[in-house]
Amino acid sequence: QVQLQESGPGLVKPSETLSLSCTVSDDSISGYYWSWIRQADGKGLEWIGRIYSSGTPSYNPSFQSRVTMSVDTSKKQFSLKLSSVTAADTAVYYCARLGSWYFDSWGHGALVTVSS
Amino acid sequence: EIVLTQSPGTLSLSPGERATLSCRASQNVSSFYLAWYQQKPGQAPRLLMFGASSRATGIPDRFSGTGSGTDFTLSISRLEPEDSAVYYCQQFGGSPLYTFGQGTKLEIK
Repeated sequence: QVQLQESGPGLVKPSETLSLSCTVSDDSISGYYWSWIRQADGKGLEWIGRIYSSGTPSYNPSFQSRVTMSVDTSKKQFSLKLSSVTAADTAVYYCARLGSWYFDSWGHGALVTVSS
Repeated sequence: EIVLTQSPGTLSLSPGERATLSCRASQNVSSFYLAWYQQKPGQAPRLLMFGASSRATGIPDRFSGTGSGTDFTLSISRLEPEDSAVYYCQQFGGSPLYTFGQGTKLEIK
């Protein structure tokens, strides 16, 4: 079963850019869509966006102006950048694989705190 | 946006009982595009059901899903203490492409 692992800074200052990467354990990065989903403390799940292995992204309109996703198949990684962060962006960020249209594999999650 | 509303917010049941969790959509959702997830404290969500009634790999047949249109149900029979978790429904379609319900917390006492 594919394993996903998020990595990146756990603390980001307000107005700066949050950057996370997700490493996929095997060669399955090709041919799938990959997503980022976040969860604020005690809250529900919020889809941020997805990217196909060829590099075509789709974003949640709520994040459209601030989000960029990319993929590097040679490194078996895909990445998230979220700009102009505020305290409201403090959350656990999950990377996940889309098995067709549902999320069939998830990373453990990375807590990102936005604070000065 | 397709809003998913889950009820009840919290469900407290005893081992061996049956749980019925509801997910109501603000617009018609194809049953093919409705999924359920289980999330335990400190863990990532885990896929339970997709296509409204198909179990994911390794999910016991105590879990079942039904529904169509705007009303979907996740049922868990013969509850076990390990079933304590928050359960989320999720749909695909519209804008944004993927939305989740707010979750139902299931407590097994």
